[in-house]
Amino acid sequence: RKEVEQDPGPFNVPEGATVAFNCTYSNSASQSFFWYRQDCRKEPKLLMSVYSSGNEDGRFTAQLNRASQYISLLIRDSKLSDSATYLCVVNYNQGGKLIFGQGTELSVKP
Amino acid sequence: DTEVTQTPKHLVMGMTNKKSLKCEQHMGHRAMYWYKQKAKKPPELMFVYSYEKLSINESVPSRFSPECPNSSLLNLHLHALQPEDSALYLCASSQDRAGWDTQYFGPGTRLTVL
Repeated sequence: RKEVEQDPGPFNVPEGATVAFNCTYSNSASQSFFWYRQDCRKEPKLLMSVYSSGNEDGRFTAQLNRASQYISLLIRDSKLSDSATYLCVVNYNQGGKLIFGQGTELSVKP
Repeated sequence: DTEVTQTPKHLVMGMTNKKSLKCEQHMGHRAMYWYKQKAKKPPELMFVYSYEKLSINESVPSRFSPECPNSSLLNLHLHALQPEDSALYLCASSQDRAGWDTQYFGPGTRLTVL
């Protein structure tokens, strides 16, 4: 079993759609959680840190359920510019080592 | 400012060449990282430096040799690479190596080994 697992994708959605990505992690000692976004042939960029209380940034909402070891990202009112690969990332506090999910590709169509 | 810079952007090298990748950050971060990323895969950690000392080497072949000359700079020296080493090489930095520290990535060097 992979340490961090994401929906396989790709997700193809029309503009304006709401899309949800799910992620599970296997190590209950995980300390911090992130969603990164990576455009084609570019570097990963931090989208959001994820907190137990949930957090929202504009059209993006992230949730963490420690009991279920589950992380989610909700994107409302999708834009063409949201097309990218979304990486679920977990930090086990092992000297800075991040554990990446395989990524979920999102394509928003006109 | 959360900028990490990397040079060169692109590099083509033969299997007998020696080249170096460079990474710089001016955020006062004390942890710096090298990752390797193949197409359609997530980044894979190669090395971690903390306070200019190597703290993690993820069993990387010796043809990759990291160096941290000071707290702002990180180099990756390349020698006798193989075609399968062709990939995007990403540098990242974070305030420290604590579990809650965010890592910021540079734009990467796209390496092709012929």
